[in-house]
Parts: sequence; C-alpha cells; structure tokens
Amino acid sequence: EDQVTQSPEALRLQEGESSSLNCSYTVSGLRGLFWYRQDPGKGPEFLFTLYSAGEEKEKERLKATLTKKESFLHITAPKPEDSATYLCAVFPGQAGTALIFGKGTTLSVSS
Amino acid sequence: DTGVSQNPRHKITKRGQNVTFRCDPISEHNRLYWYRQTLGQGPEFLTYFQNEAQLEKSRLLSDRFSAERPKGSFSTLEIQRTEQGDSAMYLCASSPSEEETQYFGPGTRLLVL
Repeated sequence: EDQVTQSPEALRLQEGESSSLNCSYTVSGLRGLFWYRQDPGKGPEFLFTLYSAGEEKEKERLKATLTKKESFLHITAPKPEDSATYLCAVFPGQAGTALIFGKGTTLSVSS
Repeated sequence: DTGVSQNPRHKITKRGQNVTFRCDPISEHNRLYWYRQTLGQGPEFLTYFQNEAQLEKSRLLSDRFSAERPKGSFSTLEIQRTEQGDSAMYLCASSPSEEETQYFGPGTRLLVL
C-alpha cells in the first residue's frame, strides 16, 4: 500500500536554529514529490516539486532534497514567520491516482 | 487574485441537512480535485475531474456525496443528510495536467452539529 510518513510530528526551534524535516515514502513508483506549507485554518500553499532522486530545490530559508526513499526539508536559520505545518505529498507511479499526503510536521519557531 | 477560490469559507449545519460547496479553479486548469482534511491529518483525496469528466472517486466518498463540474469550469460538492463525522475542512485544488503541481484553495470548513 502506498504510504507517506513524516517525522517528527512536531518540532520546536529557537530563531536561527537550523533543522530538517523528514518525509519517507513507500509507493509503487514515484512521479513526483511535493512540499506544501499550511497555516492554521488555511489551504496548503505550494513550496516545491521534486521529480527524481538527487534533485534539490531552494527558496529563501528552505531547501528540499530527494532520495529514492525519502525527502528532507532543510530549514536554515528559521524565523518565527516560518511557523506552520509542513506537508509532504507523493504522486504514485500508477496513472489516474491523486496525491497521497503525510500527516505533516508542525513547526514552531520562537524568538 | 487568480488563485483557486472556494465558497463558503465556513458552514455550520445541523445533522441531516444538505450542504453544497463551490470551487472555482485557476483559469484554464483542466484538472480539479476535492480533498477532505480533519484535524491533525493530511488532506485525503475524494474525487477529481478532468474537464467535465469525473475520472476517479475515493472509497471515502460515500453515496451521500456527489460532485459535479459542468462545462469543465467551477465544481460543486454536495453532501446529503450530513452526519457529525462529515465535519472537516473540504479543500479544492487544480492543476494544468496530471503530473503538475496542484494549487489549493483556502478550503471550506464544515461543522455538523
């Protein structure tokens, strides 16, 4: 069964304290892996798409990487405004299916 | 703003009532998806459309749920005879094609009393 697992469930950081969020997946083939940010009461906001192992994408303090079994979202020198839930989703290899999401990692950054 | 829009943003209803939500996708996106999200969980797929055709429905979508996308533009999701277990955030997303990024709307939060 296709599955996405994110860890940790919650992460508390001090401002400027870098860390990484993990997304491990078990799918029958992978046509894409997506990272989204979600603020409370709002819809997910797109961050990155990764398509193949070894690929990396960066945006401001965030960097996403992909291997054959997992993806990492690295947060460098986070600020309080980076506090949110970060969702990972995969597009399995079987055609005609939709995104499979993990439960997310809730990040809190304090000043 | 040319993003995905959803209405209403909030809906409170009594058990047994019918509710309908609307989603307006990004212009010219031919794929439209509906997801449901409960507290502490990631979004779960419900159904999707390519243009006006409904191509797949999740087993989560009971026969009380129906979705339409007339003329391949906006979409509606109707829940008949609502139950307390239907309380959730209902999210709509659109994409230009199957493998491209899905962009989400703000969601409709449903509370069934």
